[in-house]
Amino acid sequence: QITLEESGPTLVKPTQTLTLTCNFSGFSLSTSGVGVGWIRQPPGKALEWLAVIFWNDDTRYSPSLKSRLIITKDTSRNQVVVTLTNVDPVDTATYYCAHGTYYYHSRASHWFFDLWGRGTLVTVSS
Amino acid sequence: DIQMTQSPSSLSASVGDRLTITCRASQVIGNYLVWFQQKPGKAPEPLIYAASNLQSGVPSRFSGSGSGTDFTFTISSLQPEDLATYYCQQYDMFPLTFGGGTKVEI
Repeated sequence: QITLEESGPTLVKPTQTLTLTCNFSGFSLSTSGVGVGWIRQPPGKALEWLAVIFWNDDTRYSPSLKSRLIITKDTSRNQVVVTLTNVDPVDTATYYCAHGTYYYHSRASHWFFDLWGRGTLVTVSS
Repeated sequence: DIQMTQSPSSLSASVGDRLTITCRASQVIGNYLVWFQQKPGKAPEPLIYAASNLQSGVPSRFSGSGSGTDFTFTISSLQPEDLATYYCQQYDMFPLTFGGGTKVEI
């Protein structure tokens, strides 16, 4: 059974750095095709994808946040960490980590986030 | 970036109703589209991937169709537990992008 759980501060001051950890179980991030990503959701608003790291160490970032984001993995500890620098109140959101892998349909491969953590609410305020 | 436009942004329906949500991509994405259901206070869960393929364990009243730029999500007979916000998301290319969501009220 795959589970993911986000952890980190609930309150961060503007200009500080936010570090969130995703602890997961039930899969290995060294398995081909697997990735773990971060998605956030400001209160009452839509989902926004932030970043993903893959089993082969490939990383992808949202262009609008790329200069402020770093995503890393510790395969042995089953953790993925995301760091967001210079936070602002607009970064207030619930942050989710999610497991992604390939599904195969009609001879095509489809990669998407199939299992998500419960999310953690982070408020940016002085 | 590929923009995903969902409509309507909200709707109210009755138990047993058939409802349809549309999602339009700003460029061709093939069928690389997933529909998520997000119940209040919960994380999103995928219902349909490859635009029309039901995720394991998802009730058959949910369906999806479309390819290219225009997609449709349908609930054939709305149930009370379907109260949720529904999102489309394209995974054809990075950055991954979501639609603005459709809030379904019963």
